[in-house]
Amino acid sequence: ETGVTQSPTHLIKTRGQQVTLRCSSQSGHNTVSWYQQALGQGPQFIFQYYREEENGRGNFPPRFSGLQFPNYSSELNVNALELDDSALYLCASSLDIGGEKLFFGSGTQLSVL
Amino acid sequence: AQSVTQLDSQVPVFEEAPVELRCNYSSSVSVYLFWYVQYPNQGLQLLLKYLSGSTLVKGINGFEAEFNKSQTSFHLRKPSVHISDTAEYFCAVSGGSNYKLTFGKGTLLTVNP
Repeated sequence: ETGVTQSPTHLIKTRGQQVTLRCSSQSGHNTVSWYQQALGQGPQFIFQYYREEENGRGNFPPRFSGLQFPNYSSELNVNALELDDSALYLCASSLDIGGEKLFFGSGTQLSVL
Repeated sequence: AQSVTQLDSQVPVFEEAPVELRCNYSSSVSVYLFWYVQYPNQGLQLLLKYLSGSTLVKGINGFEAEFNKSQTSFHLRKPSVHISDTAEYFCAVSGGSNYKLTFGKGTLLTVNP
């Protein structure tokens, strides 16, 4: 059973606003990755944090930013929300920076109106 | 760069029938391959993975997949499906820096009684 928890589960924002999504990693995991899953699509890699440092980034603009804290929990921040940012945001933690053993949370469903 | 193509967006089958979900990938480097399952309103759960070694990989819930390097395929199979297997299935590839997964668009498996 996954120990990755995300909050909130659902969120509604309006265009131009800012949003913060939170993720609590599975115990002992020092790496967290964030993915965006638009309706009818597969998840797309946003970025990864390893020991509080960004370790890689996908094709997302700078208004998508993140943080990882000393307890390895994480935040995803999105500024200047656009309608196309509406999606399910998934957080995944792992023991190391390899992509082999990812444990996913249930996601935050963001709707931008 | 890597890419994943899931050849069927929807696969309807009857209970106890066999099923194959098709996945092709492209990559310029050696890859790791994965199948994930997503039940409604949940995150992703790892079904199985190919890292190296035997090309036939067995996973959870009776699923298996075969890595075929010459055909760049990693098709998922189950000899007899259950109603509870109804879900979205995602094929994914990781390679090179190994820190991110590239997903296909998913295949919706619907098992009918």
